Amino acid sequence: AQSVSQHNHHVILSEAASLELGCNYSYGGTVNLFWYVQYPGQHLQLLLKYFSGDPLVKGIKGFEAEFIKSKFSFNLRKPSVQWSDTAEYFCAARSNDYKLSFGAGTTVTVRA
Amino acid sequence: DTAVSQTPKYLVTQMGNDKSIKCEQNLGHDTMYWYKQDSKKFLKIMFSYNNKELIINETVPNRFSPKSPDKAHLNLHINSLELGDSAVYFCASSHQGAGPYNEQFFGPGTRLTVL
Repeated sequence: AQSVSQHNHHVILSEAASLELGCNYSYGGTVNLFWYVQYPGQHLQLLLKYFSGDPLVKGIKGFEAEFIKSKFSFNLRKPSVQWSDTAEYFCAARSNDYKLSFGAGTTVTVRA
Repeated sequence: DTAVSQTPKYLVTQMGNDKSIKCEQNLGHDTMYWYKQDSKKFLKIMFSYNNKELIINETVPNRFSPKSPDKAHLNLHINSLELGDSAVYFCASSHQGAGPYNEQFFGPGTRLTVL
């Protein structure tokens, strides 16, 4: 089974700062990768996903992620965060079955 | 217009009780899931059904029993509730398979508190 690790437990930054959240997965074969966001009190929403092709994936709300196969990584980035980006961010990976394995999540707090 | 809906949103109950959480999706998906999110926000899959058949059954106590009356519904029944069952339970749905368009859509969650 996949395991997914997220390096940062809690990130605090100011508006307009750049954000990068680390994510590593364990599976060596074909893998699908996802970043989900959970705003306070809300359900998970998909930010972006990678299946194949261009390793730099653009998502919603100005987020992007880069798949680096050699590093088993799929880091999430945003060049300039807003207060409304305050949320919990989850990296997830899926291999050959239907199971989606989630990382432990990173809490992002953006200060105005 | 809610794509994946769950009821109730909050559930507070005593240890030992039996309770159910309902999930419905109107996306036309054929695969549905139950996840548990613990107090540390860690999300773990519990069950998955495809066309009313169980396809994923993780290591979950047999006090938890999913039931899928049809493709659009996946309910979760929990017997003899324990303190450790307190968590947020998320339902999700997707099309079958692991293709690029088969992302999972999540419901709003049910916060279960066992006293």
